[in-house]
Parts: sequence; C-alpha cells; structure tokens
Amino acid sequence: KAGVTQTPRYLIKTRGQQVTLSCSPISGHRSVSWYQQTPGQGLQFLFEYFSETQRNKGNFPGRFSGRQFSNSRSEMNVSTLELGDSALYLCASSFGDSQETQYFGPGTRLLVL
Amino acid sequence: LAKTTQPISMDSYEGQEVNITCSHNNIATNDYITWYQQFPSQGPRFIIQGYKTKVTNEVASLFIPADRKSSTLSLPRVSLSDTAVYYCLVGDIRMDTGRRALTFGSGTRLQVQP
Repeated sequence: KAGVTQTPRYLIKTRGQQVTLSCSPISGHRSVSWYQQTPGQGLQFLFEYFSETQRNKGNFPGRFSGRQFSNSRSEMNVSTLELGDSALYLCASSFGDSQETQYFGPGTRLLVL
Repeated sequence: LAKTTQPISMDSYEGQEVNITCSHNNIATNDYITWYQQFPSQGPRFIIQGYKTKVTNEVASLFIPADRKSSTLSLPRVSLSDTAVYYCLVGDIRMDTGRRALTFGSGTRLQVQP
C-alpha cells in the first residue's frame, strides 16, 4: 500500500507570495492533518480535515487555510508569505477516528526569501 | 492546552536499553498516547501507541502508570540507526471550542554511540 505523498518536496517563494501544498493520503484514509515544523517551534498542529470538512484547527493565523476533496486529497494554502513561514510542512493521514495512528508523509520544505 | 514535557536530549551506547519519559499532566480520559520517531528531513514514523499499563510491539514497549500523567518509551538494545528525535503525542480538548487539538512534545534527541 502506497504511503502518504506530498508535492512538491521543495519550494522557494518570496515574501508576499502565496503557496499551495498538496497531500495524497493513504488509500482508504479519510482524515488528513497538517503540521508545521520549525527548529524553534517544533511540530505544531495546523488543522485536520475529515470528509471534506475542517474538524480541528490549531493556533495559526487565517493566512493558513486548507481544503479536502472528495477523494480525501488535501491542499494547504498560505497567503501573503512571511519569512517566518519557512518550515517543513508535514501531512498525516488516518482513517478518521480521533485516536488512531497517523501516518506522515515526507513533507514539503518551504523556503521564503 | 495540555502540555507534554520530554527531556531535550539523551545519550546511549549500542546494545543498551533506553527509556524516554513524557509528562502529560492534563491528559483527557479518552486520550491515547502515541510515540513517533523522526529522522532529519523526514516525516515522523509511528512507533507505538497505548492507553494504560503496558504495550509492547516488535520495536518498543510503552509503560503508562495508573494515573496516566506520564508515559515511558522503552527501546531495547538500541543501535546506531536509532539515533533520531522521539516525540510523544497526546490528543487534548480545547476548552474554548471543545474540539480536539493534537499536541506534540518538544521531542527528545537520542544519540546512540558505538
């Protein structure tokens, strides 16, 4: 069974631009969660989507948004990029029960210049 | 939000048993505790999950005391390839919205020496 895939793997943007990251979950998984990882803040939860609806949200500004499609694939968008948005963005998928194991993708490394 | 606390780093030698403890004082009744392993520039990899007492799989054991305010990941006979960052994850409820948010610990950087 294929794992979680994320595209692109690496991205360079400039301040003020926007970016869209994509995540394809493991087949059969309906929940997709997004995390931001930086050296200073560690792994921080962004949001979770389940059946095309945002089910949980972390403490990030409205510039960070996401969506989920009917095939469970998810996209995350960051508008008006700031230097501090440079990070590894990780996607994790699961069946959707609140306590079951999440499986992570390799991440998208975003660099904002 | 509930906070998890782990040691920042640990050192060990090949063949030794390593125990990493995570504190989670505000764990909710229905929350499970999950541990992940992460290598540089890779996504975290699931190691083990438990609710109470002891859970064992082919790579690790997880010990959870009765009050569930902490958990200990035990790695038997570590090797150089176990050098990584280990995170404990506990789901917790946001009091303002009642919706579940997920909190990773700060992570423990394990360095295994030959």
